[in-house]
Amino acid sequence: DAKTTQPTSMDCAEGRAANLPCNHSTISGNEYVYWYRQIHSQGPQYIIHGLKNNETNEMASLIITEDRKSSTLILPHATLRDTAVYYCIVRVDSAGNKLTFGGGTRVLVKP
Amino acid sequence: SQTIHQWPATLVQPVGSPLSLECTVEGTSNPNLYWYRQAAGRGLQLLFYSVGIGQISSEVPQNLSASRPQDRQFILSSKKLLLSDSGFYLCAWKSWESGGTGNTIYFGEGSWLTVV
Repeated sequence: DAKTTQPTSMDCAEGRAANLPCNHSTISGNEYVYWYRQIHSQGPQYIIHGLKNNETNEMASLIITEDRKSSTLILPHATLRDTAVYYCIVRVDSAGNKLTFGGGTRVLVKP
Repeated sequence: SQTIHQWPATLVQPVGSPLSLECTVEGTSNPNLYWYRQAAGRGLQLLFYSVGIGQISSEVPQNLSASRPQDRQFILSSKKLLLSDSGFYLCAWKSWESGGTGNTIYFGEGSWLTVV
């Protein structure tokens, strides 16, 4: 299993970039890195995913190290609405059917 | 576009009563379907997943069961609720394809269950 390790919590100043780390040292060659976030009392929301190359979309950027053992989700200009729990996931079974979530990082954006 | 609906959004049930939560997905065929539970202040726990009609995989032994009577319908049930069944229940779907975009999972808005 490709287990992920994330800090339990972190604070970020509004308007500044938030850098969320994730370690996945046992990731295998065909496993993607996915990021989701869950705002309180809502269902989790997909943010971004990547395999080897860095990725960027309208929500965030994903930086994956060359050895793929860790990655960083970057929220370029954090807003109060970005306060949420952020999940990094690399665990899938061989058929990609089962997706399990770890504890995530609780991000608090402060004014 | 694809949409996912689950209901009811909130319910309060007495201990020992039955439970039925329903989830439907629109705009896709043969999706993988999932039920997750989140206890207060805790992470997401995968309860059941299904890769097709009548095919249910259970992740943890518990007081709950799941059924998939139709391709895009997933039901979570219990015959007799326990206090420990309280929590936030989330239905989700993903494409049957593996890898990359196919592993993106989409969640419903959740159902809050309080067992009293």
